[in-house]
Amino acid sequence: DGGITQSPKYLFRKEGQNVTLSCEQNLNHDAMYWYRQDPGQGLRLIYYSQIVNDFQKGDIAEGYSVSREKKESFPLTVTSAQKNPTAFYLCASRRDTYYEQYFGPGTRLTVT
Amino acid sequence: AQTVTQSQPEMSVQEAETVTLSCTYDTSENNYYLFWYKQPPSRQMILVIRQEAYKQQNATENRFSVNFQKAAKSFSLKISDSQLGDTAMYFCAFMKHGVNAGNNRKLIWGLGTSLAVNP
Repeated sequence: DGGITQSPKYLFRKEGQNVTLSCEQNLNHDAMYWYRQDPGQGLRLIYYSQIVNDFQKGDIAEGYSVSREKKESFPLTVTSAQKNPTAFYLCASRRDTYYEQYFGPGTRLTVT
Repeated sequence: AQTVTQSQPEMSVQEAETVTLSCTYDTSENNYYLFWYKQPPSRQMILVIRQEAYKQQNATENRFSVNFQKAAKSFSLKISDSQLGDTAMYFCAFMKHGVNAGNNRKLIWGLGTSLAVNP
């Protein structure tokens, strides 16, 4: 079954701790994206990667970091520098030369 | 810069009836794509339908169809024979066409319309 997986579904952390959100896809897609979703604000792009070992900042990259060592994987680290990390995080992927993005089920991160 | 506006924060419809969700966008581009995504209570984001700006024919996917008015920069979604499972947030999104430096095929999102289908 092809798809995008994000784990865990719910994540709780204490303030000041870094946390890494997982995103894996077996669709053989080239591009991958991380979005943040807050109530009333729609989706905002954090980072994206078009190929392995390359990634670019999105609109709200401060306090986040990513890596793209494998085509299938695009983990997102929420660092302690992110001032308001509590949010719903969505990972997406896209096949090269196509335009549709397909999404994982998301991770709800709560930092207290 | 491109913007996407969904002017209806909330809507409701009776089961089996038809509902239309509005979306307008602002762009100086001539070639682009438009999308409707659905986010049910599970929060999984699901692609509903897409429209290429260069195509005059409106896209259709089963009970979902769009009314694309390029000159008016309008892209509404019509849901026919509404079902309880259609209850969700619906997001309109825009993407520039083509690959060039800095394009990256970013989606520009509206803020969404919450649709409730009532039995």
